[in-house]
Amino acid sequence: QSVLTQPPSVSGAPGQTVTISCTGSSSNIGAGYDVHWYQQLPGTAPKLLIHGNTNRPSGVPARFSGSRSGTSASLAITGLQAEDETDYYCQSYDTGLSGYVFGTGTKVTVL
Amino acid sequence: QVQLQESGPGLVKPSQTLSLSCAVSGGSISSGGYYWNWVRQPAGKGLEWIGRLDTSGVTDYNPSLESRVTMSLDTSKNLFSLKLNSVSAADTAVYYCARVIRLFGGNYFDYWGQGTLVTVSS
Repeated sequence: QSVLTQPPSVSGAPGQTVTISCTGSSSNIGAGYDVHWYQQLPGTAPKLLIHGNTNRPSGVPARFSGSRSGTSASLAITGLQAEDETDYYCQSYDTGLSGYVFGTGTKVTVL
Repeated sequence: QVQLQESGPGLVKPSQTLSLSCAVSGGSISSGGYYWNWVRQPAGKGLEWIGRLDTSGVTDYNPSLESRVTMSLDTSKNLFSLKLNSVSAADTAVYYCARVIRLFGGNYFDYWGQGTLVTVSS
């Protein structure tokens, strides 16, 4: 029962920009907890893409960027590439559940 | 480089107990500043946080699983474990162990195991 809602799918042509939203509530994102993003390639563990709303770990391409505002957050992929076609998840902390919560997940398709 | 590796039976019978371990290498499980976690993912579905341990062995569990979950730490072997009792087919999933780095304002998962598939079936 995910408490962070993402669109099931987004798509774009190579080189375009796609944005994935992550909608929470006053008990998680709206409470000020950071949002983090993960990329999951088929058959593999999730990989950290963005932490602390906007920060890219070393090795993550600059075409990935994150933002947070109010009870929502977004991940943008600019200059979309074929290798970006996979699943993406947001994650935060929820005070009502006293634990970590993940988004419902979004599949990015490169047209 | 920290590495995590899950181990345990890949097949569990309904109503029995699922038991998994996660061996940590490249760092001590007793180091402060981290939580040790279990996350699962049914085939074709999203990620579900199961619970976490701190270095003192204090636990927090997902309320939806709390009545069936036990997590523990073995500092002598540098590993942590998961037990989920009274399993059903709904517990069939890939189970990941993962480390969370504790920071003010937000904790995130920085290292993950490769995952292990557990199937509940008679």
